[in-house]
Amino acid sequence: AQSVAQPEDQVNVAEGNPLTVKCTYSVSGNPYLFWYVQYPNRGLQFLLKYITGDNLVKGSYGFEAEFNKSQTSFHLKKPSALVSDSALYFCAVRDVNKLSFGAGTTVTVRA
Amino acid sequence: NAGVMQNPRHLVRRRGQEARLRCSPMKGHSHVYWYRQLPEEGLKFMVYLQKENIIDESGMPKERFSAEFPKEGPSILRIQQVVRGDSAAYFCASSPRTSGGVSTDTQYFGPGTRLTVL
Repeated sequence: AQSVAQPEDQVNVAEGNPLTVKCTYSVSGNPYLFWYVQYPNRGLQFLLKYITGDNLVKGSYGFEAEFNKSQTSFHLKKPSALVSDSALYFCAVRDVNKLSFGAGTTVTVRA
Repeated sequence: NAGVMQNPRHLVRRRGQEARLRCSPMKGHSHVYWYRQLPEEGLKFMVYLQKENIIDESGMPKERFSAEFPKEGPSILRIQQVVRGDSAAYFCASSPRTSGGVSTDTQYFGPGTRLTVL
């Protein structure tokens, strides 16, 4: 089965600093990887996905992610974090009919 | 273009009652997925449906849970004889298509239904 892992439960950064949320994957075949964000008491919002092509994927709200095959990673990045980026972030991998999610990383951006 | 709609947003039931959760996919989407988010846990897949067909229900509990996606109307997730352990957020997602094998289509999520069982 396909799976992803998010090694950090929480990430804390100061506003204006770079933000990185880590994700590693374990798949057989080609990985189809996704990032979603969840704000309190809300649904998941799609940020970006990697299917094939360039290893650097650009998404919504200034986020990007870098696919690294040798390290089996798909880390989410933002060059300059905002307080409004504080939320729960999920990495996911497509597994035939479903998405398999990581446990999530809570990001707190302090002013 | 309206997104995925779910209702109700909040649902309170007493133990033993039935819960019905509704999901209307995005316009043009004919594939629906249900996920459950238990407190302090990530999202877990429950079931994948196309119109009038259950394609994959590998994540559904064997008893008390059922899902349907009729030709007309929303998809319904039904939980019979609810227990406290059913308290969770239930999310519906939709996608435009799935070809054979692994789909690369993005799943778009609704706002969820938060079920509380007293």
